[in-house]
Amino acid sequence: DQQVKQNSPSLSVQEGRISILNCDYTNSMFDYFLWYKKYPAEGPTFLISISSIKDKNEDGRFTVFLNKSAKHLSLHIVPSQPGDSAVYFCAASKPNSGYALNFGKGTSLLVTP
Amino acid sequence: EAQVTQNPRYLITVTGKKLTVTCSQNMNHEYMSWYRQDPGLGLRQIYYSMNVEVTDKGDVPEGYKVSRKEKRNFPLILESPSPNQTSLYFCASSLSWINTEAFFGQGTRLTVV
Repeated sequence: DQQVKQNSPSLSVQEGRISILNCDYTNSMFDYFLWYKKYPAEGPTFLISISSIKDKNEDGRFTVFLNKSAKHLSLHIVPSQPGDSAVYFCAASKPNSGYALNFGKGTSLLVTP
Repeated sequence: EAQVTQNPRYLITVTGKKLTVTCSQNMNHEYMSWYRQDPGLGLRQIYYSMNVEVTDKGDVPEGYKVSRKEKRNFPLILESPSPNQTSLYFCASSLSWINTEAFFGQGTRLTVV
């Protein structure tokens, strides 16, 4: 069963605006969350992460928010740029499992000029 | 340049013919893993290795074998490939098993006919 869910397969945003990508998880044992970005014909690349002891982590234009009570996290990209167009994967890991990454199915972001 | 290298990038093979996909990293990472990506299913972990000679099953290990005889290499072995193993495969490495900011290879697209 899918423990990490990205319910929006795709998202289209205008350049300069905010992109918000959402992710929900079901397993309360997850304690570390990551976002990866993937371009076609390339492997995923790490974007930003957040530990369960925090509720926000910021890195330049990218901010991840974690709401543990709702088991929900989101990635905000401000301002969005055409080069941000890619598939974004949410991932979560928990202790005592080799810290395997559990991935969502991904959200395809298109930033239009 | 820090990287994870997979070979081959593309492979078409026939059912039952043993094959090996190689993975090598040059970052002295302890933790390595294999994922497969299928449409509508995201990335799922096949096997992982916390260090040399330490390997364990991920979520979808059936039909696969791995070995970790040296730190930099983590080959994925399909002893008797079947069509349901047609997929896009990614190798990943990270500094340690508690550091899940993984670096991914570029992927191997395998087709089994």
